[in-house]
Amino acid sequence: DQQVKQNSPSLSVQEGRISILNCDYTNSMFDYFLWYKKYPAEGPTFLISISSIKDKNEDGRFTVFLNKSAKHLSLHIVPSQPGDSAVYFCAASGSGSGAGSYQLTFGKGTKLSVIP
Amino acid sequence: GAGVSQTPSNKVTEKGKYVELRCDPISGHTALYWYRQSLGQGPEFLIYFQGTGAADDSGLPNDRFFAVRPEGSVSTLKIQRTERGDSAVYLCASSPGPNQPQHFGDGTRLSIL
Repeated sequence: DQQVKQNSPSLSVQEGRISILNCDYTNSMFDYFLWYKKYPAEGPTFLISISSIKDKNEDGRFTVFLNKSAKHLSLHIVPSQPGDSAVYFCAASGSGSGAGSYQLTFGKGTKLSVIP
Repeated sequence: GAGVSQTPSNKVTEKGKYVELRCDPISGHTALYWYRQSLGQGPEFLIYFQGTGAADDSGLPNDRFFAVRPEGSVSTLKIQRTERGDSAVYLCASSPGPNQPQHFGDGTRLSIL
């Protein structure tokens, strides 16, 4: 059973438009969420995170939204640029003490293609 | 500054052999993690070190897998009697402490023939 789900394997967006990547989770103990970007043959690169005490976090062109009641988060990229083309992974952990609070549980990723 | 460094970048070996994968974390990061990523999947947690000790090895698939971090910096993931199903990209990450964003290396692509 997948605890973090990214239901869209791929997404294509025109350059300059908004990219919206979605992620759903099932484990109510998750309270810290991260997005990573991955280029081929490279490791995942940390983009942005959000704690469950917030519903929005913004960093430049990247904004993450968290809807705890729906167990849903999304990453908005605006404006999208060709260099944003990569696989995006959603990840979650429980930030409290105890086993598993540091383990990241990842989704399967969404491949974003930004078309010039 | 230097990121997480993993060597080798690629490793091809025969079934039944022993392999060691090395991870050099970001300087000053006390927390170190190993993950495994199979094709089409996200990374899956293997083991977490805080300092020299393995604080959680619950993700190791079986007793053929073992990891050490003797001086609290470099870590080595060891796999005995390799099997074809062990083929994957093995990723190492480090963070300044637990519950902080983890920074990944580029991984070691392990292929068992």
